[in-house]
Amino acid sequence: KNQVEQSPQSLIILEGKNCTLQCNYTVSPFSNLRWYKQDTGRGPVSLTIMTFSENTKSNGRYTATLDADTKQSSLHITASQLSDSASYICVVSHMDSNYQLIWGAGTKLIIKP
Amino acid sequence: SQTIHQWPATLVQPVGSPLSLECTVEGTSNPNLYWYRQAAGRGLQLLFYSVGIGQISSEVPQNLSASRPQDRQFILSSKKLLLSDSGFYLCAWSVRLAADNEQFFGPGTRLTVL
Repeated sequence: KNQVEQSPQSLIILEGKNCTLQCNYTVSPFSNLRWYKQDTGRGPVSLTIMTFSENTKSNGRYTATLDADTKQSSLHITASQLSDSASYICVVSHMDSNYQLIWGAGTKLIIKP
Repeated sequence: SQTIHQWPATLVQPVGSPLSLECTVEGTSNPNLYWYRQAAGRGLQLLFYSVGIGQISSEVPQNLSASRPQDRQFILSSKKLLLSDSGFYLCAWSVRLAADNEQFFGPGTRLTVL
């Protein structure tokens, strides 16, 4: 069964600290993996995308990694800011479908001053 | 640039009442369109997607329906709402046949069924 699981479910850190969010997937055949940021009450916005051959991708203070062999991805946030408070969702695309994405439940990140 | 609109932003409806949520996209042609629902604290659930006018695919059985009367208009409807229909409804679009199937989301509609 195609699934995406994220951990932790929620995380609270102090402003300025780093954190890492995890994503494990069982989607096969795999096409790409994307991390989305969803502010409360808003639609998700894409942060990074990685294909099978890429193992790291950065977007400012966000760095995503991908291990296609173990089917794991992580999102590392450096020097967190209050505006990083949001849900971070891992989404995997199935090779056989251009339309359907397998969504994780997300990690709710809270940055405290 | 492309923009996506959804309305209304919030809606409170009694059980058994009808529903109509509208989504429009500007600045692009022939997009793929999607309706998602997100329950509180849960992930996104794909409800419907459309690859063209009048072409609707349903992902889950439910009392909701979708229509695409125009290329850039996507409507989510129900004849009789259930309590379980409460949630955050998101419309999204993507470039048709793009290798990078990024989906761009609207601002969402918060629906509460009482």
